[in-house]
Amino acid sequence: TQLLEQSPQFLSIQEGENLTVYCNSSSVFSSLQWYRQEPGEGPVLLVTVVTGGEVKKLKRLTFQFGDARKDSSLHITAAQPGDTGLYLCAGSRYSSASKIIFGSGTRLSIRP
Amino acid sequence: SQTIHQWPATLVQPVGSPLSLECTVEGTSNPNLYWYRQAAGRGLQLLFYSVGIGQISSEVPQNLSASRPQDRQFILSSKKLLLSDSGFYLCAWSVLGSEAFFGQGTRLTVV
Repeated sequence: TQLLEQSPQFLSIQEGENLTVYCNSSSVFSSLQWYRQEPGEGPVLLVTVVTGGEVKKLKRLTFQFGDARKDSSLHITAAQPGDTGLYLCAGSRYSSASKIIFGSGTRLSIRP
Repeated sequence: SQTIHQWPATLVQPVGSPLSLECTVEGTSNPNLYWYRQAAGRGLQLLFYSVGIGQISSEVPQNLSASRPQDRQFILSSKKLLLSDSGFYLCAWSVLGSEAFFGQGTRLTVV
């Protein structure tokens, strides 16, 4: 059973389009992180959201933490081929603060 | 600044052989340390994590084990590898279980 479910699993869109990736759980998280991973490399941290309802922007990427701290979303505006990669959400729950679990991943492909 | 070293980058091992992957962190004290395994194009499965020397939490019962002999050293081992142990292994460190910072990973192929 995956504690953090991401959707969609795969997404292929045209350059310039917008997209949203979701990260959902039935558990409450103290914080959630989003990472991007290139093939053959370790994931790289993009952002951390801590407060319920928090919205953070990183250029064309917008991250939101759900009010109940159980879900998060990543929205990309005007996607570019350089956005291609595997996007992962991750977090730790209050009940086991040191244990960082990862979502199932969303593989994003942006066609020129 | 903090750095994490993981080696080797690639490894091909026969079924039944032993395994030892090492990870070391520099520039921080008493980090949380993690071992993950990743199937191709998928999420990361947490295998072990450690909050201090000699303290290991196992998440997935299998023929792998982990040890933390020093504050900034984390070792993943197996006595006898299985074909199903093939995958991409990632070591990471964190402070207080929030953001994780990863090594470059080890691609293990068991043949």
